[in-house]
Order: sequence, then structure tokens, then C-alpha cells
Amino acid sequence: DTAVSQTPKYLVTQMGNDKSIKCEQNLGHDTMYWYKQDSKKFLKIMFSYNNKELIINETVPNRFSPKSPDKAHLNLHINSLELGDSAVYFCASSQEERWTFFGQGTRLTVV
Amino acid sequence: QKEVEQDPGPLSVPEGAIVSLNCTYSNSAFQYFMWYRQYSRKGPELLMYTYSSGNKEDGRFTAQVDKSSKYISLFIRDSQPSDSATYLCAMRAGGYQKVTFGTGTKLQVIP
Repeated sequence: DTAVSQTPKYLVTQMGNDKSIKCEQNLGHDTMYWYKQDSKKFLKIMFSYNNKELIINETVPNRFSPKSPDKAHLNLHINSLELGDSAVYFCASSQEERWTFFGQGTRLTVV
Repeated sequence: QKEVEQDPGPLSVPEGAIVSLNCTYSNSAFQYFMWYRQYSRKGPELLMYTYSSGNKEDGRFTAQVDKSSKYISLFIRDSQPSDSATYLCAMRAGGYQKVTFGTGTKLQVIP
């Protein structure tokens, strides 16, 4: 009964490819997020959706496009992958102003 | 200057020691303060959370927030080898504001 689940856990792909990461939460939360954690372990927000509406869009290349089909799902699609996109991507969710819960992460390696 | 400053460590302590982890911040709008624990290759796990100033205790863990000094702390009593992880402080303002993370402090508890 994982609260925030994302797939795949590991993703190795070549430069220039397009890939997607899926996220689902079963907590009934109304807000979902994508975070990126770099090699130095720094976590930085990329996007936030509240009830399927984009509310936070940090300075992220437009090759990254989030999609929220419903409030329990937030997927991340990445076009034309670059070496610098290699990182761990975390999906997260929260309810209103309360505490944020994270998934286990997707380790993306671009070769 | 970063919004949230945290000493990256690493911090090594003997088993049974009291551990003190700290963060400073510059944004006076922050109201919600969290500590996450992240084991290697896992997602951040919410450990402690507090709203505004004050102390909160949960078992061996105590979180303190001093908004006047813009300083938060996490104390771990009777530290155990299983506490070895990276500890991330995090904070947010009210509403649907993003969570801003510190860079994390890597803790090692030596048996």
C-alpha cells in the first residue's frame, strides 16, 4: 500500500531519446510535485500541480512537460534527453498546506 | 545567499551520542518546518514537522524552531547506527508554496 509510487525505478537511455516517468499517489492529496535531486543530493522543485492545475513551474527547460490526468497522477515527460538530465527524480504529494510525502525516486541515467 | 543553509557534513558520531543538526534560513515568510531522513538510494522520509516557533518531541527526536533567529534544529538522542542517513531540513511559506530544502547533512553513527 505504497503512498506515492513512481515508475520506473531506474531508467537508462541514450541522448536524444524521449522518456516518461509515471507517478501515482493513493493518499487522497490534492497537490503533487516533481523534484530533481542532483549528484550533490540537492533537492529542487520542478513542478507542482493542485487538482490537475499547474501552480508552480520553476525554471525548467521546456523539454520537460508534466501531465496530470487526474489529481492522483502526475507524469513527467522528457524530450530530447541530454547528459545533464541525469539525476534522481522524485514525485511527491501533499494535502493543502500540510506535509509533503515523497516517492522512492527514479534514477535517470543518460548515456 | 541560499534561502536555506545547511552544513553538508559528513558528521560522524559514536553510538549513543546526542546529535545536533541545524539549518538557517533567510525567508521570514516560512511557517512550516520539516526534517526529512533519506537513506541511500531511497526517497526522503518525513521525520518531524513543526508549525511556527517552538519545540516538538517524538521519541528520540526533538525539533526546535526559532523564527526570531531564523534557525531550526533537530536533536537525536541515544543515536543508533540505523540513524546513519542524510538529514534534510525543509520549509515552506503558507498556501501552495513550494518546499525549499537544505542541502542535507550526512550523518554516520559508528557502533
